[in-house]
Amino acid sequence: AQTVTQSQPEMSVQEAETVTLSCTYDTSESDYYLFWYKQPPSRQMILVIRQEAYKQQNATENRFSVNFQKAAKSFSLKISDSQLGDAAMYFCALGSGAGSYQLTFGKGTKLSVIP
Amino acid sequence: AAGVIQSPRHLIKEKRETATLKCYPIPRHDTVYWYQQGPGQDPQFLISFYEKMQSDKGSIPDRFSAQQFSDYHSELNMSSLELGDSALYFCASSSRAPPEETQYFGPGTRLLVL
Repeated sequence: AQTVTQSQPEMSVQEAETVTLSCTYDTSESDYYLFWYKQPPSRQMILVIRQEAYKQQNATENRFSVNFQKAAKSFSLKISDSQLGDAAMYFCALGSGAGSYQLTFGKGTKLSVIP
Repeated sequence: AAGVIQSPRHLIKEKRETATLKCYPIPRHDTVYWYQQGPGQDPQFLISFYEKMQSDKGSIPDRFSAQQFSDYHSELNMSSLELGDSALYFCASSSRAPPEETQYFGPGTRLLVL
Protein backbone atom coordinates (compact mmCIF):
# COMPACT_ATOMS: atom_id res chain seq x y z
CA ALA A 1 0.00 0.00 0.00
CA GLN A 2 1.15 3.51 -0.66
CA THR A 3 0.45 6.57 1.45
CA VAL A 4 0.79 10.32 1.07
CA THR A 5 0.81 12.69 4.02
CA GLN A 6 0.34 16.44 3.95
CA SER A 7 0.75 17.71 7.48
CA GLN A 8 -0.35 21.30 6.85
CA PRO A 9 -4.13 21.52 6.39
CA GLU A 10 -3.94 25.28 5.83
CA MET A 11 -1.24 27.81 5.06
CA SER A 12 -1.13 31.47 4.16
CA VAL A 13 1.41 33.64 2.38
CA GLN A 14 1.73 37.32 1.60
CA GLU A 15 1.50 38.26 -2.03
CA ALA A 16 4.98 38.26 -3.67
CA GLU A 17 6.44 36.16 -0.86
CA THR A 18 7.59 32.53 -0.93
CA VAL A 19 5.83 29.57 0.64
CA THR A 20 6.69 25.88 0.96
CA LEU A 21 4.12 23.12 1.19
CA SER A 22 5.21 19.82 2.73
CA CYS A 23 4.51 16.28 1.61
CA THR A 24 5.85 12.90 2.68
CA TYR A 25 5.06 9.60 1.07
CA ASP A 26 5.61 5.90 1.38
CA THR A 27 5.74 3.22 -1.29
CA SER A 28 7.46 -0.10 -1.75
CA GLU A 29 7.78 0.47 -5.51
CA SER A 30 11.08 1.55 -7.01
CA ASP A 31 9.43 3.10 -10.06
CA TYR A 32 7.10 5.95 -9.17
CA TYR A 33 6.16 9.51 -9.93
CA LEU A 34 5.24 12.40 -7.70
CA PHE A 35 2.94 15.27 -8.55
CA TRP A 36 1.50 18.44 -7.16
CA TYR A 37 -1.99 19.32 -8.32
CA LYS A 38 -3.80 22.57 -7.68
CA GLN A 39 -7.55 22.65 -7.12
CA PRO A 40 -9.04 26.16 -7.14
CA PRO A 41 -12.63 26.86 -6.06
CA SER A 42 -13.81 25.73 -9.50
CA ARG A 43 -12.59 22.27 -8.38
CA GLN A 44 -10.69 21.66 -11.59
CA MET A 45 -7.57 19.54 -10.93
CA ILE A 46 -4.63 21.33 -12.49
CA LEU A 47 -1.19 19.80 -12.78
CA VAL A 48 1.43 22.06 -11.22
CA ILE A 49 4.61 19.99 -11.39
CA ARG A 50 5.83 16.40 -11.68
CA GLN A 51 8.93 14.53 -10.55
CA GLU A 52 10.19 11.16 -11.68
CA ALA A 53 11.68 9.18 -8.79
CA TYR A 54 14.68 8.09 -10.87
CA LYS A 55 15.71 11.68 -11.50
CA GLN A 56 17.89 13.33 -8.89
CA GLN A 57 17.40 16.82 -10.25
CA ASN A 58 14.54 18.73 -8.67
CA ALA A 59 11.77 19.72 -11.08
CA THR A 60 11.05 23.38 -11.76
CA GLU A 61 8.16 25.05 -13.56
CA ASN A 62 8.43 28.83 -13.60
CA ARG A 63 7.63 30.01 -10.03
CA PHE A 64 7.07 26.45 -8.81
CA SER A 65 9.86 24.13 -7.73
CA VAL A 66 10.16 21.00 -5.66
CA ASN A 67 12.62 19.69 -3.10
CA PHE A 68 12.68 15.94 -3.67
CA GLN A 69 14.47 14.01 -0.95
CA LYS A 70 14.19 10.38 -2.01
CA ALA A 71 15.82 8.81 1.03
CA ALA A 72 13.61 10.79 3.36
CA LYS A 73 10.56 10.22 1.13
CA SER A 74 9.85 13.92 1.13
CA PHE A 75 8.49 16.02 -1.73
CA SER A 76 7.86 19.67 -0.88
CA LEU A 77 6.55 22.37 -3.19
CA LYS A 78 7.97 25.88 -3.17
CA ILE A 79 5.97 28.72 -4.66
CA SER A 80 7.96 31.87 -5.29
CA ASP A 81 6.56 35.37 -5.85
CA SER A 82 3.11 34.21 -4.74
CA GLN A 83 0.17 35.61 -6.64
CA LEU A 84 -3.49 35.94 -5.74
CA GLY A 85 -4.28 33.31 -8.36
CA ASP A 86 -2.19 30.78 -6.45
CA ALA A 87 -4.85 30.58 -3.76
CA ALA A 88 -6.22 27.05 -3.94
CA MET A 89 -6.15 23.58 -2.42
CA TYR A 90 -2.88 21.84 -3.26
CA PHE A 91 -2.72 18.06 -3.40
CA CYS A 92 0.44 16.01 -3.36
CA ALA A 93 0.02 12.76 -5.30
CA LEU A 94 2.00 9.57 -5.77
CA GLY A 95 1.70 7.35 -8.79
CA SER A 96 3.30 3.92 -8.64
CA GLY A 97 2.62 0.34 -9.46
CA ALA A 98 3.19 -2.18 -12.15
CA GLY A 99 1.35 -1.17 -15.27
CA SER A 100 -1.16 1.22 -13.77
CA TYR A 101 -0.05 4.39 -12.09
CA GLN A 102 -3.21 5.27 -10.26
CA LEU A 103 -2.71 8.22 -8.01
CA THR A 104 -2.81 8.25 -4.23
CA PHE A 105 -3.47 11.75 -2.93
CA GLY A 106 -2.68 13.47 0.31
CA LYS A 107 -5.46 15.25 2.21
CA GLY A 108 -4.47 18.58 0.72
CA THR A 109 -3.20 21.94 1.92
CA LYS A 110 -5.42 24.97 1.54
CA LEU A 111 -3.27 27.94 0.55
CA SER A 112 -4.48 31.49 1.09
CA VAL A 113 -2.68 34.44 -0.48
CA ILE A 114 -2.93 37.71 1.43
CA PRO A 115 -2.86 40.90 -0.66
CA ALA B 1 -4.32 22.01 -26.63
CA ALA B 2 -7.16 19.52 -26.36
CA GLY B 3 -8.16 18.55 -22.86
CA VAL B 4 -10.13 15.75 -21.27
CA ILE B 5 -13.86 16.14 -21.84
CA GLN B 6 -16.45 14.91 -19.39
CA SER B 7 -20.18 14.88 -19.74
CA PRO B 8 -22.49 15.76 -18.25
CA ARG B 9 -20.93 18.42 -16.06
CA HIS B 10 -23.76 18.30 -13.56
CA LEU B 11 -26.22 15.52 -12.81
CA ILE B 12 -29.05 15.24 -10.32
CA LYS B 13 -30.55 11.82 -9.61
CA GLU B 14 -32.90 10.25 -7.11
CA LYS B 15 -31.93 7.38 -4.84
CA ARG B 16 -31.96 3.97 -6.54
CA GLU B 17 -31.71 5.54 -10.01
CA THR B 18 -28.90 4.91 -12.47
CA ALA B 19 -26.38 7.33 -13.94
CA THR B 20 -23.88 7.18 -16.77
CA LEU B 21 -20.85 9.44 -16.85
CA LYS B 22 -18.80 9.84 -20.00
CA CYS B 23 -15.15 10.67 -20.52
CA TYR B 24 -13.30 11.57 -23.71
CA PRO B 25 -9.52 11.43 -23.18
CA ILE B 26 -6.93 13.65 -24.74
CA PRO B 27 -6.25 12.46 -28.31
CA ARG B 28 -3.61 9.70 -28.47
CA HIS B 29 -3.85 9.03 -24.76
CA ASP B 30 -4.25 5.31 -24.16
CA THR B 31 -5.06 5.19 -20.44
CA VAL B 32 -8.12 6.43 -18.61
CA TYR B 33 -8.59 6.73 -14.86
CA TRP B 34 -11.74 7.43 -12.82
CA TYR B 35 -11.63 9.13 -9.43
CA GLN B 36 -14.31 10.06 -6.90
CA GLN B 37 -13.93 13.16 -4.72
CA GLY B 38 -16.38 13.60 -1.89
CA PRO B 39 -16.98 17.01 -0.29
CA GLY B 40 -13.86 18.20 1.52
CA GLN B 41 -11.97 15.04 0.64
CA ASP B 42 -9.10 14.04 -1.59
CA PRO B 43 -9.81 12.14 -4.81
CA GLN B 44 -10.06 8.37 -4.50
CA PHE B 45 -9.11 6.06 -7.35
CA LEU B 46 -11.95 3.94 -8.69
CA ILE B 47 -10.80 2.13 -11.83
CA SER B 48 -8.48 2.44 -14.82
CA PHE B 49 -8.27 1.21 -18.39
CA TYR B 50 -5.32 0.78 -20.72
CA GLU B 51 -5.92 0.11 -24.40
CA LYS B 52 -9.56 -0.70 -23.70
CA MET B 53 -8.77 -3.31 -21.06
CA GLN B 54 -9.31 -2.83 -17.34
CA SER B 55 -5.86 -2.35 -15.84
CA ASP B 56 -6.55 -1.74 -12.18
CA LYS B 57 -9.35 -1.47 -9.71
CA GLY B 58 -9.58 0.63 -6.59
CA SER B 59 -12.40 1.38 -4.21
CA ILE B 60 -15.15 1.04 -6.76
CA PRO B 61 -18.48 -0.25 -5.42
CA ASP B 62 -19.97 -3.35 -7.02
CA ARG B 63 -22.90 -1.15 -8.08
CA PHE B 64 -20.55 0.69 -10.42
CA SER B 65 -19.10 -0.59 -13.66
CA ALA B 66 -17.02 0.99 -16.35
CA GLN B 67 -15.60 0.29 -19.75
CA GLN B 68 -13.42 1.84 -22.41
CA PHE B 69 -14.59 1.76 -26.00
CA SER B 70 -12.77 1.35 -29.31
CA ASP B 71 -12.50 5.13 -29.72
CA TYR B 72 -10.91 5.26 -26.23
CA HIS B 73 -13.76 7.10 -24.59
CA SER B 74 -14.88 5.64 -21.30
CA GLU B 75 -18.17 5.41 -19.44
CA LEU B 76 -18.80 4.95 -15.74
CA ASN B 77 -22.15 3.33 -15.04
CA MET B 78 -23.61 3.75 -11.59
CA SER B 79 -26.69 1.84 -10.46
CA SER B 80 -28.84 1.83 -7.34
CA LEU B 81 -27.55 5.26 -6.45
CA GLU B 82 -27.17 6.13 -2.79
CA LEU B 83 -26.97 9.49 -1.05
CA GLY B 84 -23.29 8.80 -0.35
CA ASP B 85 -22.55 8.64 -4.07
CA SER B 86 -22.95 12.42 -4.25
CA ALA B 87 -19.50 13.58 -5.24
CA LEU B 88 -17.33 15.03 -7.96
CA TYR B 89 -16.26 12.35 -10.42
CA PHE B 90 -13.07 12.97 -12.33
CA CYS B 91 -11.77 11.27 -15.39
CA ALA B 92 -8.07 11.59 -16.15
CA SER B 93 -6.07 10.41 -19.11
CA SER B 94 -2.41 9.68 -19.70
CA SER B 95 -0.09 8.22 -22.28
CA ARG B 96 2.63 5.62 -21.97
CA ALA B 97 4.66 7.81 -24.34
CA PRO B 98 6.80 10.57 -22.78
CA PRO B 99 6.07 12.53 -20.68
CA GLU B 100 4.69 9.29 -19.49
CA GLU B 101 2.37 8.64 -16.63
CA THR B 102 1.26 12.22 -16.18
CA GLN B 103 -2.46 12.27 -15.66
CA TYR B 104 -4.45 15.18 -16.98
CA PHE B 105 -7.83 15.65 -15.39
CA GLY B 106 -11.13 16.60 -16.93
CA PRO B 107 -13.37 19.22 -15.33
CA GLY B 108 -15.35 16.57 -13.49
CA THR B 109 -19.01 15.60 -13.26
CA ARG B 110 -20.83 16.82 -10.17
CA LEU B 111 -23.34 14.18 -9.15
CA LEU B 112 -26.00 14.97 -6.60
CA VAL B 113 -28.19 12.14 -5.36
CA LEU B 114 -31.41 13.22 -3.65
